[in-house]
Amino acid sequence: NAGVTQTPKFQVLKTGQSMTLQCAQDMNHNSMYWYRQDPGMGLRLIYYSASEGTTDKGEVPNGYNVSRLNKREFSLRLESAAPSQTSVYFCASSRDRVFGQPQHFGDGTRLSIL
Amino acid sequence: AQSVTQLGSHVSVSEGALVLLRCNYSSSVPPYLFWYVQYPNQGLQLLLKYTTGATLVKGINGFEAEFKKSETSFHLTKPSAHMSDAAEYFCAVSPGGSYIPTFGRGTSLIVHP
Repeated sequence: NAGVTQTPKFQVLKTGQSMTLQCAQDMNHNSMYWYRQDPGMGLRLIYYSASEGTTDKGEVPNGYNVSRLNKREFSLRLESAAPSQTSVYFCASSRDRVFGQPQHFGDGTRLSIL
Repeated sequence: AQSVTQLGSHVSVSEGALVLLRCNYSSSVPPYLFWYVQYPNQGLQLLLKYTTGATLVKGINGFEAEFKKSETSFHLTKPSAHMSDAAEYFCAVSPGGSYIPTFGRGTSLIVHP
């Protein structure tokens, strides 16, 4: 039971470099999300995809782009990484847009930008 | 807009003692409420959720929470703490009308032998 799989688990970048964080889920969920977690800040939503073919901005979208490649995969791209984007990034999915659906999380990508 | 306040960024208890983690929310419409647990180097896992019906909700690992509308609270409790309960706990709220939750800032539970 893989659930939500994120790659890579760790990454170190230099300022200005670009990279894509990958996320895939095998639960046939319709909705997917990207969060960042910073100490004392909880989880903040970056982007989400309510269903295949749609994406929307969350609370902190600046500096990021996303692609919902298909129903299973939802990637997050940093075009020009900045030190302020050092964080732990979590991908999550939920079955659909019905209210009260819990989210299922991956184990995170720990990203450091020097 | 909805918000979630978790009182205390750190809570320390002795093994066998009562665990009480506090969560208060604001929402203009009836909320859906969640507690998640995060172990080191892992993602969040659902502990329990309240949608409708019985206000006392039982979850995994012996945890439970009670929805109190008059107090806008959803506190998490466990009668007897185990060392394995040491983790970060997050309260989240989804108001009716939004399927995307807002998370609190988290409470780190420390369990002493």
